[in-house]
Amino acid sequence: NAGVTQTPKFQVLKTGQSMTLQCAQDMNHEYMSWYRQDPGMGLRLIHYSVGAGITDQGEVPNGYNVSRSTTEDFPLRLLSAAPSQTSVYFCASSQTWKGEKLFFGSGTQLSVL
Amino acid sequence: QKEVEQDPGPLSVPEGAIVSLNCTYSNSAFQYFMWYRQYSRKGPELLMYTYSSGNKEDGRFTAQVDKSSKYISLFIRDSQPSDSATYLCAMSEGEGGKLIFGQGTELSVKP
Repeated sequence: NAGVTQTPKFQVLKTGQSMTLQCAQDMNHEYMSWYRQDPGMGLRLIHYSVGAGITDQGEVPNGYNVSRSTTEDFPLRLLSAAPSQTSVYFCASSQTWKGEKLFFGSGTQLSVL
Repeated sequence: QKEVEQDPGPLSVPEGAIVSLNCTYSNSAFQYFMWYRQYSRKGPELLMYTYSSGNKEDGRFTAQVDKSSKYISLFIRDSQPSDSATYLCAMSEGEGGKLIFGQGTELSVKP
């Protein structure tokens, strides 16, 4: 059972570079979301989607882009990486759009130098 | 001020102790209340889920919600070293899919 799969697990970027964090789920979940986790800050919502073609902003959306062309995939794009985006990123999915009972991926540790 | 506040700890207890973890919140529209457990270098996993006010029990774990005080708690009875993890509270209005997390409390249970 794959669940929520995130790639890559680790990434180092230079300031100004762009990249895409991949997220895929095989549970046919409507709801998908991206969080970042920083020490002392807990999990903060970046963007979320309640279905294919529908996305919305969370608490900390600046510097990130998302799209949802299929039910399975929800990539997160960093447009121009900054050191402040150094963090651990988690993708999560849920069966319903209410956002409860999230299933999380194993995370991507990103460092921006 | 964050919508959800949680004491980050760390909290260290001896094996067998009763552990109390708490969160306060400011948004009275929150209806769904959850506790997630996160082991080191892993993604969070759902531990307890409660809708509206009241208590819910699952084995050694009890979740309480007091909407009048905007306060939720997680109790762990007979704590075990395997309970050592970070515990995150989370809340949702149930509309639009925004799930807001607390900062997480790091718990260590010593043998």
